[in-house]
Amino acid sequence: GAVVSQHPSRVICKSGTSVKIECRSLDFQATTMFWYRQFPKKSLMLMATSNEGSKATYEQGVEKDKFLINHASLTLSTLTVTSAHPEDSSFYICSARSPLAGESDTQYFGPGTRLTVL
Amino acid sequence: GQSLEQPSEVTAVEGAIVQINCTYQTSGFYGLSWYQQHDGGAPTFLSYNALDGLEETGRFSSFLSRSDSYGYLLLQELQMKDSASYFCAVITADSWGKFQFGAGTQVVVTP
Repeated sequence: GAVVSQHPSRVICKSGTSVKIECRSLDFQATTMFWYRQFPKKSLMLMATSNEGSKATYEQGVEKDKFLINHASLTLSTLTVTSAHPEDSSFYICSARSPLAGESDTQYFGPGTRLTVL
Repeated sequence: GQSLEQPSEVTAVEGAIVQINCTYQTSGFYGLSWYQQHDGGAPTFLSYNALDGLEETGRFSSFLSRSDSYGYLLLQELQMKDSASYFCAVITADSWGKFQFGAGTQVVVTP
């Protein structure tokens, strides 16, 4: 099946620093990836849609200058949290649309990255 | 606007059957998916309904009624490992198939 990986799985950083999270589709090409944010015991909130070779589309209320998304290849999207602050601490999850015919409305999720900003 | 509603928590014993309802209000509805998420883990795909009716996959089944803007996930022969959060997600008819997730239902399975 389709496998999506994320790196790192866990990161702790100081306030004011930037953190980059990678999302990779391991055995398929993903023209579209999605980035979510999840607070404990809460739902997944879609942050942005990442499109290979073009600018990401951000959801309302998400600061595009704060959360930089780059989808440079068909297997890699990155999310950079710039000038991180404690309120950015969260679980960040990426997903990719299934490459399989008849499964285009299925998303496969990465294992998530837990960011803690001190 | 768009909204999804599902119960916050359901508790049941091993071997029982649990039904998690999901009602939605959205423009451009395309389909309804269900995902399971264990604490600290990634959501995993369970089922998808684009047409009315019941989809069965082993112990899990999912139902959709587009006219009622309603669906449910049925968990049968509950096992301890089924303790997790279950999310319904609406897929909208735009070019990227974006998901909007419900708040999630915490299923607690007791011995």
